[in-house]
Amino acid sequence: GQNIDQPTEMTATEGAIVQINCTYQTSGFNGLFWYQQHAGEAPTFLSYNVLDGLEEKGRFSSFLSRSKGYSYLLLKELQMKDSASYLCAVKDSNYQLIWGAGTKLIIKP
Amino acid sequence: GAVVSQHPSWVICKSGTSVKIECRSLDFQATTMFWYRQFPKQSLMLMATSNEGSKATYEQGVEKDKFLINHASLTLSTLTVTSAHPEDSSFYICSAIGQGGSQPQHFGDGTRLSIL
Repeated sequence: GQNIDQPTEMTATEGAIVQINCTYQTSGFNGLFWYQQHAGEAPTFLSYNVLDGLEEKGRFSSFLSRSKGYSYLLLKELQMKDSASYLCAVKDSNYQLIWGAGTKLIIKP
Repeated sequence: GAVVSQHPSWVICKSGTSVKIECRSLDFQATTMFWYRQFPKQSLMLMATSNEGSKATYEQGVEKDKFLINHASLTLSTLTVTSAHPEDSSFYICSAIGQGGSQPQHFGDGTRLSIL
């Protein structure tokens, strides 16, 4: 079967750095996406990785290792507004998007 | 960037009513649109995938006669919840994707449906 694993919940301090991990087992791979979802709102696109390595976008970076079936989202200089759920999703060989259950990130002052 | 508009954002209605939700891609042509459902504190659940001009593909366990999907053009898809009951109360979210395998799904703002 297809599976995406990410931690259920993480807590971090304002101004700090946090890394949210995602491991996947899917039938084929055509890219990995990270989305942010605030409570009661729809997800918003953060990043896309299809090749190994690090993609940086301001305070957010996303890393991919296809051989390990592993990705992480790195958030720097955490702000209170970063409190949200972070969803990892993988496109399989049929270009279907397989969603992780999301990681709820709690930022404390 | 790509914008997806979803209306209405909030619906409260009586049991037995049918509710139509619209999803529009405003600045790109959406080859595929997706309809999701999300219960509080749970992950997104894909209900169906629709391509313009063809019948929607429903996920296992989703009643196609209850959740009618029409994808009439490259910019508009509609979800109609027929004869809604309280257990249909949920957060319904649409997303759209343009051409190209690397394109992300762009989400509408969601519709919160409450059936009394």
